[in-house]
Amino acid sequence: SAVISQKPSRDICQRGTSLTIQCQVDSQVTMMFWYRQQPGQSLTLIATANQGSEATYESGFVIDKFPISRPNLTFSTLTVSNMSPEDSSIYLCSVVLAAGADTQYFGPGTRLTVL
Amino acid sequence: KQEVTQIPAALSVPEGENLVLNCSFTDSAIYNLQWFRQDPGKGLTSLLLIQSSQREQTSGRLNASLDKSSGRSTLYIAASQPGDSATYLCAVKGQAGTALIFGKGTTLSVSS
Repeated sequence: SAVISQKPSRDICQRGTSLTIQCQVDSQVTMMFWYRQQPGQSLTLIATANQGSEATYESGFVIDKFPISRPNLTFSTLTVSNMSPEDSSIYLCSVVLAAGADTQYFGPGTRLTVL
Repeated sequence: KQEVTQIPAALSVPEGENLVLNCSFTDSAIYNLQWFRQDPGKGLTSLLLIQSSQREQTSGRLNASLDKSSGRSTLYIAASQPGDSATYLCAVKGQAGTALIFGKGTTLSVSS
């Protein structure tokens, strides 16, 4: 398995500002993903973070709103830009350890509240 | 587009009962299926993973089955305990290297 940490664990932000969430893994991983869990809802995939290239976004999510970086095989960031109250959610980082490995592991999440 | 549905949305049982949580998915061409547990305010804990070629997996009091052709999976919890109270999420992976697609979950409450 992998130990995944996220920073911050929670934050309260003002409308119109941006927040960058960090995801750190204790070992090199092949795949990293970012999910959003809105209040009372299940997890929705935002994007796949690609090492050394632009992230692959799911329908309904765009790079200008959710820029993602992945500079190496253990670290990724997700920025939530120009926030509105609708962005209040839990944001989760998820990884797959190696090619052919099947289990997907999740970080503890970042609970974001936008006022 | 793959859609995952979980029934029921919520379930309350007395301690000791055996129970079944249901998961269905619209596209039977899956790579694997994973069941997770989520406790309030916490992340996800992986419970069981079933490969597309498998029929079931067991871990302790948990047993998950998969009927890929009908697009269904069940999670069986034997002799439920108050500590089993949590939200249970079902997720499917379409291909190796792609991300899991989640259902909305079943929130289980086990009373002592």
